[in-house]
Amino acid sequence: EAQVTQNPRYLITVTGKKLTVTCSQNMNHEYMSWYRQDPGLGLRQIYYSMNVEVTDKGDVPEGYKVSRKEKRNFPLILESPSPNQTSLYFCASANHIRGEAFFGQGTRLTVV
Amino acid sequence: GESVGLHLPTLSVQEGDNSIINCAYSNSASDYFIWYKQESGKGPQFIIDIRSNMDKRQGQRVTVLLNKTVKHLSLQIAATQPGDSAVYFCAENKGEDRGSTLGRLYFGRGTQLTVWP
Repeated sequence: EAQVTQNPRYLITVTGKKLTVTCSQNMNHEYMSWYRQDPGLGLRQIYYSMNVEVTDKGDVPEGYKVSRKEKRNFPLILESPSPNQTSLYFCASANHIRGEAFFGQGTRLTVV
Repeated sequence: GESVGLHLPTLSVQEGDNSIINCAYSNSASDYFIWYKQESGKGPQFIIDIRSNMDKRQGQRVTVLLNKTVKHLSLQIAATQPGDSAVYFCAENKGEDRGSTLGRLYFGRGTQLTVWP
């Protein structure tokens, strides 16, 4: 089954404690991206990757890091989480030609 | 700031009626537009896309219209069903990444569609 898998689905952490949200896709897609969704603000792009070892900033990259060492994985790293990073996070992947992005189920992160 | 927005944050329609969800964008350079549907507790789901060299594209029960003159995008859902109740987002690619239809995507804030029986 074609899918994008995020882990964990829910996470509560404390300010300053480094965390990683994993994202994996099994569709051999070149493109992967991270978004955060906040009430009233819709989806905002954090980082995206056009292919292995190629990453670019989206709209709201501050406080986040990503890596794309292999095609299927695109982890989101918060080196020092802060309460304003409390949000619902989505990972997505797509084929460049088709453009149809597949989204994961989301990770609800709370930073206290 | 965001250049993709909405005309209405909520839309209520009766089952069987047609729905029209609107979206405005401000960047004439945008060359690719996508509509997504997000049901409660789930990730967004692709509905339909359109490139800037087209005015209209049809899918199953859905039609996207693009008016480049007034920078307006709409999603029409025919014979709306209760299962269509969701938040609908438009997204645009501003053509900043050559060779790809995606790259930086800008999303609108979404329209909540509610379908009454």
